[in-house]
Amino acid sequence: QLQLQESGPGLVKPSETLSLTCTVSRGSINSPLYYWGWIRQPPGKGLEWIGTVYYKGSTYYSSSFKSRVTVSVDTSKNQFSLKVNSVTAADTAVYYCARHGIQSNNWFDPWGQGTLVTVSS
Amino acid sequence: QSALTQPASVSGSPGQSITISCTGTSSDVGSYNLVSWYQQLPGKAPKLIIFEVSKRPSGVSNRFSGSKSGNTASLTISGLQPEDEADYICCSYARSMTPNWVFGGGTKVTVL
Repeated sequence: QLQLQESGPGLVKPSETLSLTCTVSRGSINSPLYYWGWIRQPPGKGLEWIGTVYYKGSTYYSSSFKSRVTVSVDTSKNQFSLKVNSVTAADTAVYYCARHGIQSNNWFDPWGQGTLVTVSS
Repeated sequence: QSALTQPASVSGSPGQSITISCTGTSSDVGSYNLVSWYQQLPGKAPKLIIFEVSKRPSGVSNRFSGSKSGNTASLTISGLQPEDEADYICCSYARSMTPNWVFGGGTKVTVL
């Protein structure tokens, strides 16, 4: 079964850059059928799609984040990454990575376990 | 893209059936049969339970069913069981200029 695992700092200072990595195991990130996405969930709130990358490097971003976010892929490490610039307390959330499709398999499955990132000085 | 609208909470007794609504717009739920539902237990990652409006992944109980009418999708849990107590979140594909996905705010299901 494909597994995803998020990693990165749990505490980021305001105005700095949040950086997270998702490692894919028991499967390859080089699948033509799937995309790799980041979703977040602020405490007590709903889920929010942030952005998505394809193994060839193409990306899509939510308009809510587009100017602050970069999603990238490293196929040699079977990983993809998220960077959010100029963070504020509003970026405090559990960040999840997940596999999904667009033309087919257009749902999020599986998900990583999630990692809590707190923005605070 | 605005979030999909779900009721904050729904409750039912064991054995009963409950239905959770998920209301979007003609740009998302109304345009695509690409609604998915997720079950989220406390402190856990979401788990896919319905995809493409009404299909169940292998291993998901047939007590879970999905449907859609116009801009509103629905999740029904039949024969409610204590282990069904969780948050349920809907999601829809919503293409504008580029691919986009919107989620609902989640519905807390309580088994009385």
